[in-house]
Amino acid sequence: DIQMTQSPSSLSASVGDRVTITCRASQSISSHLNWYQQKPGKAPKLLIYDATSLQSGVPSRFSGSGSGTDFTLTISSLQPEDFATYYCQQSHTTPLTFGGGTKVEIK
Amino acid sequence: QVQLQESGPGLVKPSGTLSLTCAVSGGSISSHNWWSWVRQPPGKGLEWIGEIYHSGSTNYNPSLKSRATMSVDKSKSQFSLKMSSMTAADTAAYYCARRDNWFASWGQGTLVTVSS
Repeated sequence: DIQMTQSPSSLSASVGDRVTITCRASQSISSHLNWYQQKPGKAPKLLIYDATSLQSGVPSRFSGSGSGTDFTLTISSLQPEDFATYYCQQSHTTPLTFGGGTKVEIK
Repeated sequence: QVQLQESGPGLVKPSGTLSLTCAVSGGSISSHNWWSWVRQPPGKGLEWIGEIYHSGSTNYNPSLKSRATMSVDKSKSQFSLKMSSMTAADTAAYYCARRDNWFASWGQGTLVTVSS
């Protein structure tokens, strides 16, 4: 199985901050990496697919980068509605696997 | 916009079998997508259970040690999950989702508790 490691597991930030979350795959997954946002009691919401493509309707302050084994999700200017947990997920091969999550909290 | 809705019992007895159904609307279950189940224990991360294609082809997570079985009913536009030998560790929110190589469409999720 491909292991996905996210860091940090949690972070505290203020509105307007630039936030970066990293995800590392245990082997190369090309660009087959997706990012999700999840709020309590809700299903995950797709933000970024194929490492860099912004899902329709997602604000442009979200961006993704990387390929191979190292990936990054960046929120350029954190907004109040962005406080949530973020997950990466590889779609390179089954079993599909998720990172452990990064909880973004208010400082 | 495809919509998915899970249904099934919220309580399962230890050693029992979980049965969940996901109804698909607003799109065809025979489209070129895989239909997945993902679960999330309370306060923990996401785990992919497996997926099924409209032809009946399946992929499962080996970590579940063959306890999961999926089926599809095209006439009812729904797909299903059965999971046997349930234990407390299987208590989780269970989500169905459509995979376009990524999960863009999700059901709202249903909480399943394993308890006597």
